[in-house]
Amino acid sequence: GQNIDQPTEMTATEGAIVQINCTYQTSGFNGLFWYQQHAGEAPTFLSYNVLDGLEEKGRFSSFLSRSKGYSYLLLKELQMKDSASYLCAVKSTDKLIFGTGTRLQVFP
Amino acid sequence: SAVISQKPSRDICQRGTSLTIQCQVDSQVTMMFWYRQQPGQSLTLIATANQGSEATYESGFVIDKFPISRPNLTFSTLTVSNMSPEDSSIYLCSARTGESTEAFFGQGTRLTVV
Repeated sequence: GQNIDQPTEMTATEGAIVQINCTYQTSGFNGLFWYQQHAGEAPTFLSYNVLDGLEEKGRFSSFLSRSKGYSYLLLKELQMKDSASYLCAVKSTDKLIFGTGTRLQVFP
Repeated sequence: SAVISQKPSRDICQRGTSLTIQCQVDSQVTMMFWYRQQPGQSLTLIATANQGSEATYESGFVIDKFPISRPNLTFSTLTVSNMSPEDSSIYLCSARTGESTEAFFGQGTRLTVV
């Protein structure tokens, strides 16, 4: 079966750093994605990892360990606009299977 | 990248009726998918829309309930049949081009069944 787990909710303070974890057990693996989704909007692509290690893109970084079935999304210098849901998704063959999603609230 | 338009953006429907949602992409794409997102939840894959052939459904979803068409490389429809209040959800169309790694999403169709 497919199992992709994330914490349901997280809170953080503006300017801080937050790490959102994702663990997965899937029947196939062709890469791991992170998406951001603001309430009432479509998910938007943040990052993609297919090899182990850290991918950095501005304030956002994503890490993958395939042997551990683990990824995290790191958000630095948090801003109020980062309050959103963050979705981890595993690419299995040609389709994306989404995790449970993490709702992040950033407070001033 | 690809821009995806969905119609309608929202609808309120009577139980027992059917609604067809349209998804139009502004460029030719290799893969198209339909997802459901219930309030406060993550995305659940309904099916892969295959061009010129029957869709590939995920476990728990069947063609009689969610018939899907994809007549060409830029357009797909999802029908929610014989609706009940449990079908109230957001339905999202997604697409991927041959060159892109990531999938793009439409704005979604918010369906309420009363």
